[in-house]
Amino acid sequence: SYVLTQPPSVSVAPGQTARITCGGNNIGSKSVHWYQQKPGQAPVLVVYDDSDRPSGIPERFSGSNSGNTATLTISRVEAGDEADYYCQVWDSSSDHPGVFGGGTQLTVL
Amino acid sequence: QVQLVESGGGLVKPGGSLRLSCAASGFTFSDYYMSWIRQAPGKGLEWVSYISSSGSTIYYADSVKGRFTISRDNAKNSLYLQMNSLRAEDTAVYYCARMTGYGDFSYWGQGTLVTVSS
Repeated sequence: SYVLTQPPSVSVAPGQTARITCGGNNIGSKSVHWYQQKPGQAPVLVVYDDSDRPSGIPERFSGSNSGNTATLTISRVEAGDEADYYCQVWDSSSDHPGVFGGGTQLTVL
Repeated sequence: QVQLVESGGGLVKPGGSLRLSCAASGFTFSDYYMSWIRQAPGKGLEWVSYISSSGSTIYYADSVKGRFTISRDNAKNSLYLQMNSLRAEDTAVYYCARMTGYGDFSYWGQGTLVTVSS
């Protein structure tokens, strides 16, 4: 089955740019989605279809996807962005198509 | 506004059964694919099961196949997950989620905790 690989943790100072990667075999051919989860809360979709933002998500959140790596970029990081972030794809060629990355804990220093 | 409310979680012994429900409101439930996703304590997200809008297509994660059954009642705007032969490793918060054609989970419920322990 398809595997998505994320770094366990990323740290960034306030006001800087955070980049969280999601690796997968030829992931550039798939549609990648990103979720933010704060402690005790349900996940929230922050980027869908590689680079689109749901309504209400700040423009500071952006995504890209090419080759074997998808990236979530958070510009001008704020303390409130501290959370776990998960990438996800829907592998339509599989009988168990829902796939999540292991998650990345973003720490704002 | 879109609302998804899970219920039915609780403490169950290994080998036991539980039925989760997800009540949907604020959208035309019968138009949307739905999934169950779980999260073990302190762990990441794990997709569990999918059902198409009509219920004609269903998928399961290997970890639950043969033990869990997903279903829906479009007349009642409800999604279900029947969980049998429960194991300790099934302990998790279970979320229902609405999907889009891109395969993302655009809306999530607040989750219901299932604890499997003797």
